[in-house]
Amino acid sequence: GENVEQHPSTLSVQEGDSAVIKCTYSDSASNYFPWYKQELGKRPQLIIDIRSNVGEKKDQRIAVTLNKTAKHFSLHITETQPEDSAVYFCAASKGNFGNEKLTFGTGTRLTIIP
Amino acid sequence: NAGVTQTPKFRILKIGQSMTLQCAQDMNHNYMYWYRQDPGMGLKLIYYSVGAGITDKGEVPNGYNVSRSTTEDFPLRLELAAPSQTSVYFCASSKTGGNQPQHFGDGTRLSIL
Repeated sequence: GENVEQHPSTLSVQEGDSAVIKCTYSDSASNYFPWYKQELGKRPQLIIDIRSNVGEKKDQRIAVTLNKTAKHFSLHITETQPEDSAVYFCAASKGNFGNEKLTFGTGTRLTIIP
Repeated sequence: NAGVTQTPKFRILKIGQSMTLQCAQDMNHNYMYWYRQDPGMGLKLIYYSVGAGITDKGEVPNGYNVSRSTTEDFPLRLELAAPSQTSVYFCASSKTGGNQPQHFGDGTRLSIL
């Protein structure tokens, strides 16, 4: 089955600096890659997603890049703010019938230092 | 819309007891999922359903059962609770398959003592 590896497990950055979280996946048939943010004691919430026909997607301070050849994708957060502190999970899915499951990475705990 | 609603929010069980975690969604989503999240860890899929009457096992199904009699509801049953089942349980739903965003409920925090 699919295996998703996520690095680093913890990341601390100064407020205003950029943060990058990287994930690799094993199944070349995967075509959907969402990122979830989970604040302490809260539910995971989708912050951005990308499909395999796109190389990059941006939403304000957040961007995701996808390299299908290398089978890795990354989350970029620019101009970090204290409210960006949370655990971030990447995930991958093939998305077709019979493969409806998301495989999640192990998470990155991001701490923004004021 | 309420989205995905889970009840109860907290529960303490004794070893060997049984209980049902409730999950309901009002978004007319076909797909529903149950995950467990142990402290400081990621999400592990327990069971999922692609529509009413259809369920399938995820990564960690042992000790759990599910049913899906309606589109809206997807209860998770714990039989003979064990300490290893102490976790936070999240229910999620998506409109169609794995290439659509999943919407999560607030979770049920379950302790087995």
